[in-house]
Amino acid sequence: GAVVSQHPSRVICKSGTSVKIECRSLDFQATTMFWYRQFPKQSLMLMATSNEGSKATYEQGVEKDKFLINHASLTLSTLTVTSAHPEDSSFYICSAHGTSGGPRAKNIQYFGAGTRLSVL
Amino acid sequence: GIQVEQSPPDLILQEGANSTLRCNFSDSVNNLQWFHQNPWGQLINLFYIPSGTKQNGRLSATTVATERYSLLYISSSQTTDSGVYFCAVSSSNTGKLIFGQGTTLQVKP
Repeated sequence: GAVVSQHPSRVICKSGTSVKIECRSLDFQATTMFWYRQFPKQSLMLMATSNEGSKATYEQGVEKDKFLINHASLTLSTLTVTSAHPEDSSFYICSAHGTSGGPRAKNIQYFGAGTRLSVL
Repeated sequence: GIQVEQSPPDLILQEGANSTLRCNFSDSVNNLQWFHQNPWGQLINLFYIPSGTKQNGRLSATTVATERYSLLYISSSQTTDSGVYFCAVSSSNTGKLIFGQGTTLQVKP
């Protein structure tokens, strides 16, 4: 079964609104989670690293004020797309890896099912 | 940063055929994972294989870390094997994965 839950799976919104996506590790604690974006027919591009208890680390070219990340607990990270525009329409995927001594292998990343965002 | 190249970009097979997918990377890695992305977008873990050889049913993978490449073997392919196969690597302590461009596999009945 799934070890990383992502919600919602699909969202359609109007231009200018904000959308929040949740990523939860189900049976392990994740001090670090990752957010990726995938455009049609393309690969996954890392957007940011979400760190529990501290600020997220954004990849070059990703607007931190546009894509707000909050790692509120050891099992939950959220990505908020603020003032969404049609060019933000994409498939957003989160991942998490286990920790030493936990039930999930430390170095293996587990991915959520993704969120398909369509901005009208 | 580290570069990841996958080949071939596209592959069409007849059901029952075997195939080999390749992943080249430009630097030493401490993590290498193979994924299958299904038509709904879900990434399915196939192998965690920074080095060595592993097998799982009709799939096997080999990573030669010293030569910076990994191979994914699919034997007796089935139509359900269709989809995109990604190789992803990490070379840092942060754990973040860098993905290749993927191989799109189509298995025809």
